[in-house]
Amino acid sequence: EVQLVESGGGLIQPGGSLRLSCAASGFTVSSDFLNWVRQAPGKGLEWLSILYSDENTYYADSVKGRFTISRDNSKNTLYLQMNSLKVEDTAVYYCARGGSGSGFDNWGQGTPVTVSS
Amino acid sequence: DIQLTQSPSFLSASVGDRVTITCRASQGIRSYLAWYQQKPGKAPKLLIHVASTLQSGVPSRFSGSGSGTEFTLTISSLQPEDFATYHCQQLNSYPLTFGGGTKVEIK
Repeated sequence: EVQLVESGGGLIQPGGSLRLSCAASGFTVSSDFLNWVRQAPGKGLEWLSILYSDENTYYADSVKGRFTISRDNSKNTLYLQMNSLKVEDTAVYYCARGGSGSGFDNWGQGTPVTVSS
Repeated sequence: DIQLTQSPSFLSASVGDRVTITCRASQGIRSYLAWYQQKPGKAPKLLIHVASTLQSGVPSRFSGSGSGTEFTLTISSLQPEDFATYHCQQLNSYPLTFGGGTKVEIK
C-alpha cells in the first residue's frame, strides 16, 4: 500500500527556515514524480514544486528561489527546504505522488506551517 | 500561467440531485485535467484524470468530460458522502495550477 507521511511543520518567525519531510512507503521515491502542494487557511490548493525521477525540478513562481525540493533515496523520503519564510507561506503542506499529465493519486495527511512573529 | 476558473464556487443541492461543475482554462490544456474531492481537514482525493478517466475505486456516479478549455465534472445522483469541495487541476504545463474550488453543500 502506498503511503506518504509528512512531518516537520510548526511555528516559525518570518525570515526563518524550515525543512519538511515526506516519508514514502509502498513505492520508491527515486522512480516516481513527487510534488509539494499547500493550502492556506480557508483557501484553495496551490501547487509548489515537482521532482522527477531524473531529478529535474519545477517550481511555482511564488516559491522559486526560496524553496528547494529534494529527496534521499536511501531513506525513501522527499523534502522541501523552505527559506526566507513569509507570513503568506502559512498553510498546510501536502506531499503528493503523480504528474506528467496524470493527476496526483496519493497524498499525505499534511503538515501545518505557521509563519508568525 | 494557465488560470482555471471553476463555477459555481458554491452549490447547494439535495441527495439524489444531478450536479455539474465547470472548469474553464485560460488557454488550451488538451485533456490534461484532473478533478479532486476534498473533505474538511483531509487531503484531496483524486476522482478523475486526463479529463474523463475515472480513478480506480471511485464510484461510477462521477464522470468527467471536456477538452481544450472547457471541462465538466458531473455527479449523476448526489449521495450524502459527496458533500465536499471539488477542485480541478491542469497538468498540461508548468506551473501546474488548481481552480478555486467548488463547495457542494446540503440543501
